[in-house]
Amino acid sequence: NAGVTQTPKFRVLKTGQSMTLLCAQDMNHEYMYWYRQDPGMGLRLIHYSVGEGTTAKGEVPDGYNVSRLKKQNFLLGLESAAPSQTSVYFCASRAPSFETQYFGPGTRLLVL
Amino acid sequence: KQEVTQIPAALSVPEGENLVLNCSFTDSAIYNLQWFRQDPGKGLTSLLLIQSSQREQTSGRLNASLDKSSGRSTLYIAASQPGDSATYLCALYSGGGADGLTFGKGTHLIIQP
Repeated sequence: NAGVTQTPKFRVLKTGQSMTLLCAQDMNHEYMYWYRQDPGMGLRLIHYSVGEGTTAKGEVPDGYNVSRLKKQNFLLGLESAAPSQTSVYFCASRAPSFETQYFGPGTRLLVL
Repeated sequence: KQEVTQIPAALSVPEGENLVLNCSFTDSAIYNLQWFRQDPGKGLTSLLLIQSSQREQTSGRLNASLDKSSGRSTLYIAASQPGDSATYLCALYSGGGADGLTFGKGTHLIIQP
């Protein structure tokens, strides 16, 4: 039981490049989330999903797209990376009841 | 919009002391509140979750309390150890849907050996 995993762990991009971050969970959770963590800002919600095939915007969705084609996977895409997207990205999942969220180890992204 | 504030932003204490971390929130209509621990360069580990109907939760040397009416939660750490050094984050669910957690900015805790 690996919990929540994220790939890659670290990535450097040039401005304008695209990439996809992958989140996978093996707990059969319905809800999945993408957050970003920046110094002095705390964690902020980017997008979330309440089930396979569904997605919704969070607090800071601009510049990101997401997809939930399979229940266990939640993808975060950057179509044209900007330096402002330099951050640590965390994925999380939980069951529908208001129980704890389980977090992945994070992806560090540097956009030059 | 819900806002979560954690005080102090940083704290350094000698090993063995009991300490209290504070979390305040602006909207008392919450579903639950969680305390997380984050080690440098790592993800978040859930420590305690308090449902809105509860007043406190305990796990080992940790005790978290919740006072919805005053918009406050505290995390009490007894007999602190150097291994407790980490950033502690307060986060809560409000709004009633599947929305994500609203986080405070954290308290960076250092326990001096």
